[in-house]
Amino acid sequence: DTGVSQNPRHKITKRGQNVTFRCDPISEHNRLYWYRQTLGQGPEFLTYFQNEAQLEKSRLLSDRFSAERPKGSFSTLEIQRTEQGDSAMYLCASSLGSSGGAGELFFGEGSRLTVL
Amino acid sequence: AQSVAQPEDQVNVAEGNPLTVKCTYSVSGNPYLFWYVQYPNRGLQFLLKYITGDNLVKGSYGFEAEFNKSQTSFHLKKPSALVSDSALYFCAVRFQSGGYQKVTFGIGTKLQVIP
Repeated sequence: DTGVSQNPRHKITKRGQNVTFRCDPISEHNRLYWYRQTLGQGPEFLTYFQNEAQLEKSRLLSDRFSAERPKGSFSTLEIQRTEQGDSAMYLCASSLGSSGGAGELFFGEGSRLTVL
Repeated sequence: AQSVAQPEDQVNVAEGNPLTVKCTYSVSGNPYLFWYVQYPNRGLQFLLKYITGDNLVKGSYGFEAEFNKSQTSFHLKKPSALVSDSALYFCAVRFQSGGYQKVTFGIGTKLQVIP
């Protein structure tokens, strides 16, 4: 399967601990997105990479959140000092895009975070 | 603000009947509109998109959507619903903001197809 891969699929942690999620996009895709989804809501934009450059971060992404995409390949999303409000599904998506392009997003299965 | 609205939290339809899931948008300039489907505990899957051209676009699993510029709508349709179509459906819009492409999703509509 050459789709978007996310790990781990489910993470249970205690409040105050750090967690890291990994996303492996479709190999030829230059754009990578992180979204957060809570029950009954649509995906909320967190951050966006074009190749290795992080081009935009949502105001939802507090200082406790950091994302990287070294060498423009896989990406990691780290949450430090987790809070119960961080409990959500974290979705990664990738797309092949150029300036003005309208390529659709390909999503991974998501990483569900539960903070106790 | 650039956004999409899905006015119905849930749509119930009998198997074999036509279905419509509504979406309206608010975007300056020409919108790129998308529909995605999400099955329980899964990621979102792309169904179809409107970029330009024919207002009726066809997508996966027999779904289609009609772009209506005057009503700023992009409703998802299927002539004959299947029980397996029961899922969460998201409308999304892609637009240019600050030199970058952004994608914003609606809150989703739960489709329940009743046998």
